[in-house]
Amino acid sequence: GAVVSQHPSRVICKSGTSVKIECRSLDFQATTMFWYRQFPKQSLMLMATSNEGSKATYEQGVEKDKFLINHASLTLSTLTVTSAHPEDSSFYICSPTKRDAGGYTFGSGTRLTVV
Amino acid sequence: GENVEQHPSTLSVQEGDSAVIKCTYSDSASNYFPWYKQELGKGPQLIIDIRSNVGEKKDQRIAVTLNKTAKHFSLHITETQPEDSAVYFCAASIKPAGGGNKLTFGTGTQLKVEL
Repeated sequence: GAVVSQHPSRVICKSGTSVKIECRSLDFQATTMFWYRQFPKQSLMLMATSNEGSKATYEQGVEKDKFLINHASLTLSTLTVTSAHPEDSSFYICSPTKRDAGGYTFGSGTRLTVV
Repeated sequence: GENVEQHPSTLSVQEGDSAVIKCTYSDSASNYFPWYKQELGKGPQLIIDIRSNVGEKKDQRIAVTLNKTAKHFSLHITETQPEDSAVYFCAASIKPAGGGNKLTFGTGTQLKVEL
């Protein structure tokens, strides 16, 4: 159980455009969704947490108007990077979890390159 | 909030030798400590975890020890193999993900197993 599908795995976009990343929990309902960002040779940094029925809570320093999170479905969450700039180039990882989860589940990640 | 420190940042061992990675955490309320292996371009994969009511846990070549008093925990890999080469992250949370609790990652250790 706890199968996660994250797409796309890689995306290249032009500066100023928006990119949407999808994260699906295929065999469970994700009552909480975590989104992480990971720069090269660095650790995973939590960007935001989205709980069932609530708006996403963003970590300090993460612009909520730039990184739009939609968790309208318990099996699908999306992260949209709006008006992307080269400094947004990073590895984005979702982590959907279920209510009685004993641990954390992670997607395979999305490599975003903004040119 | 929680702060997790991890050492060393890089570790090179000969095949068959043991590897030890150490982490310390700051929040005494943390009681769930997972370890993840991350290969290049992929999401983190859980390799072992330990909860605060246990001092040691072993799974074949991998073991984790926890000292709650000192607030540190360690990963031990015995009989290392080339396929163990990857980046390893420790992490800590107040309790597993089901309650929407954040997972704080360490800074990572690049393990290289040389032939």
